[in-house]
Amino acid sequence: SQTIHQWPATLVQPVGSPLSLECTVEGTSNPNLYWYRQAAGRGLQLLFYSVGIGQISSEVPQNLSASRPQDRQFILSSKKLLLSDSGFYLCAWSAHAGVGPNNEQFFGPGTRLTVL
Amino acid sequence: AQKVTQAQTEISVVEKEDVTLDCVYETRDTTYYLFWYKQPPSGELVFLIRRNSFDEQNEISGRYSWNFQKSTSSFNFTITASQVVDSAVYFCALKPGYSTLTFGKGTMLLVSP
Repeated sequence: SQTIHQWPATLVQPVGSPLSLECTVEGTSNPNLYWYRQAAGRGLQLLFYSVGIGQISSEVPQNLSASRPQDRQFILSSKKLLLSDSGFYLCAWSAHAGVGPNNEQFFGPGTRLTVL
Repeated sequence: AQKVTQAQTEISVVEKEDVTLDCVYETRDTTYYLFWYKQPPSGELVFLIRRNSFDEQNEISGRYSWNFQKSTSSFNFTITASQVVDSAVYFCALKPGYSTLTFGKGTMLLVSP
């Protein structure tokens, strides 16, 4: 069965510090990977998605970046955190990007980031 | 552009009551998928159901049921005989064609004993 891991689970960082959040998936090959942010107020915002190694699509401009160095690894980074980067970061995977039977996304446990 | 509206921000019920969570969507695509996810206090989103645009048959899974009506662009979710463990935020989501998922803002369900 497939599992998705995220770490760290919680993180408190000062403004201006760098960030690196990691997500890995087990039990599947060539997944599509996604980073979401959920700020206070519950809405889910898609930040990045990737359909393959080295392929990153950005949905919103921000001071964050994503990388996919390996097939089942997805990293969210920032060189300098802002207060507005605080939130709950969720990684997700899905089997296919297009129309097809396996469009649902499965989410990791999330990382709660507080920027002070 | 696609949009998902969950007009109910928060619903409070007493255990054993039935509750319906509303979801209205907008899309120009003729092929699309609709989803419901549950987010308990732990934070992880749990996939509940997927429905494609060509299948309007309603679905029942235990105490959960879903009513998909293309004529009104709605995909409502009903919990029968609610339980305290149903307390969570519930998200409706839309995936048209080759686009990514668009989530509604969620409905917080509070079930009290």
